[in-house]
This record gives sequence, structure tokens and C-alpha cells, in this order.
Amino acid sequence: GAVVSQHPSWVICKSGTSVKIECRSLDFQATTMFWYRQFPKQSLMLMATSNEGSKATYEQGVEKDKFLINHASLTLSTLTVTSAHPEDSSFYICSALSETQYFGPGTRLLVL
Amino acid sequence: QKEVEQNSGPLSVPEGAIASLNCTYSDRGSQSFFWYRQYSGKSPELIMSIYSNGDKEDGRFTAQLNKASQYVSLLIRDSQPSDSATYLCAVARSLYGNNRLAFGKGNQVVVIP
Repeated sequence: GAVVSQHPSWVICKSGTSVKIECRSLDFQATTMFWYRQFPKQSLMLMATSNEGSKATYEQGVEKDKFLINHASLTLSTLTVTSAHPEDSSFYICSALSETQYFGPGTRLLVL
Repeated sequence: QKEVEQNSGPLSVPEGAIASLNCTYSDRGSQSFFWYRQYSGKSPELIMSIYSNGDKEDGRFTAQLNKASQYVSLLIRDSQPSDSATYLCAVARSLYGNNRLAFGKGNQVVVIP
């Protein structure tokens, strides 16, 4: 149980385009999901907390207009990186809350 | 001061030995503590959680928590090559980590056959 999926697993895009990443809880409902970012050889940094049916809560320093989060159902949260730039290239990982946090497999984004 | 600190550099241990990892945290209000294992290129997987002072054992893993010293550690007994990974310490204010988790930068463990 407690399986979380992410799609896509990796994506390459041109600078200036937008990229959407999906996070799904497959066998449980999650009112709360979290989005993290991890740069090479660094730890996970929480970007935002996504709550079903309400606005996401962003961590200090994370631009809410650049990283759009939508949590429209109890099993799906999406993160859209708008007007992506090379510095947005990173490993994006979501987690879904069910008693504790269960992590998805991550999405590797490369912006050229 | 960082929320969660893991200061040790890469740790090399011979197969079968004990690997010891340490973590300190700054928020005295923290209530739940986790150790995650992360293989290169993969997302973290939970290996231990601990909520009260003392030791908690699960197979070859033992977590130790000392809230007075704001210190949590992980011991890996009978280390295996498959234990080679980065180990992340994470701390949350709430029980069971149902709000934000703060992660340390991780400790790389290399088990030498």
C-alpha cells in the first residue's frame, strides 16, 4: 500500500516553455501532498504544501507564480513550472500524506 | 543555524561492520524524526521513524533519539553492499510527519565488500 506515482519520470524542454508534473496517490486518498526539489548533491528542499481544494502554501523564496500547484482531487496534485529556465533544471519529488509522507519516484527536469 | 545538520563526510565501512550516522536539529518543538535512504538518481525511501526518546530497532537498523540533546542517530549493523546509499535525516514538528519535513543534506555510506 501507500504507492505514489509521478509523471513524467523525466522531461527535457526548451527555455521559456512550461512543464506540468503530476503526482498521484494510487491506493489512498491524500488531502495533503508536498512538492520538493533536489539539486545535485544537495538535500531535498520543500517547495510547497498542496492541500486539496485550497491554495498551496509556498515556502519562503519559492515563487508561487512560477511554480503553479493544483490539487483538484484527493489523488492528484500537479506542479507546473512556467517559463522554465536552465536554473530550474532539478529533480522534483512529490510526497503524499497518509499517516506519514510517502514519496513518489521523482521527475527529472532538464531545461535547455 | 540549519534546521537539520548532518556534518559527517562520506562514510566507508567494510561489509559486516556497523555504520553509525548522526544528526542534530535546531527546533526543540520537533516531535517526529525519520531516516530515509536514497540511492543515486532515486527518490528517498523511509527506513526508520522514531517519536520518543530511546532506541528503536527494526531488523539491522537502530534509531536513537535524545530530545534533550536534540540528537538522532542511525546504526546499521552487519552492513551490506546494498546499504551503500545516501542517508537523509528528516525532522517534523508534528507527530508522524504530517506537516513539513526538514531534511539534512545527507550522509553517503559506502560499504566495501
